[in-house]
Amino acid sequence: AQTVTQSQPEMSVQEAETVTLSCTYDTSESDYYLFWYKQPPSRQMILVIRQEAYKQQNATENRFSVNFQKAAKSFSLKISDSQLGDAAMYFCAHNTNAGKSTFGDGTTLTVKP
Amino acid sequence: GAVVSQHPSWVICKSGTSVKIECRSLDFQATTMFWYRQFPKQSLMLMATSNEGSKATYEQGVEKDKFLINHASLTLSTLTVTSAHPEDSSFYICSARGEQGNTEAFFGQGTRLTVV
Repeated sequence: AQTVTQSQPEMSVQEAETVTLSCTYDTSESDYYLFWYKQPPSRQMILVIRQEAYKQQNATENRFSVNFQKAAKSFSLKISDSQLGDAAMYFCAHNTNAGKSTFGDGTTLTVKP
Repeated sequence: GAVVSQHPSWVICKSGTSVKIECRSLDFQATTMFWYRQFPKQSLMLMATSNEGSKATYEQGVEKDKFLINHASLTLSTLTVTSAHPEDSSFYICSARGEQGNTEAFFGQGTRLTVV
């Protein structure tokens, strides 16, 4: 079984600053995928970034990057140059090869102007 | 990215009635679809996994006779909440996964169910 833990229920960042959201996981899979999703008030799940566990290089998507520490089972998300539109709930997720997702409890991010 | 459409976006039904929610993959064939339930400000909890042409696999604690899942084609899965009660009120989200080896699942926009 897989578990995903997000230890920060709420985070706050000043506009244009950088914030890091934490995520740790536990898995019995040897091959898996990790994702960060954004869920705005509309509740549509939006993929922010993905990381294949077999890749050592940290994934990057524009202002979003991850710090993937496989041995420590840690997968944090860094948002640089935070924008007002980044305010949302962020979920860390573990995917098995079959595509089955296990989600963390989420972190609500507030961006202050 | 691939598009998954969920319908309806919201529905209100009377206690004791049944309601059907559809999940369609619009531009790809979904070999596997997943159904989640989400309470306000909480995480997504997997209810069941459905594979086209076979019976759904339900997570522990989910009543399969109450939450009927049908995945009759490669582009459509349905979730029917039977004999709905107020405690079934929640946000239901589907996701769909494409061809073998592609582990990314694409999400529908969700359905807000209110049982009165």
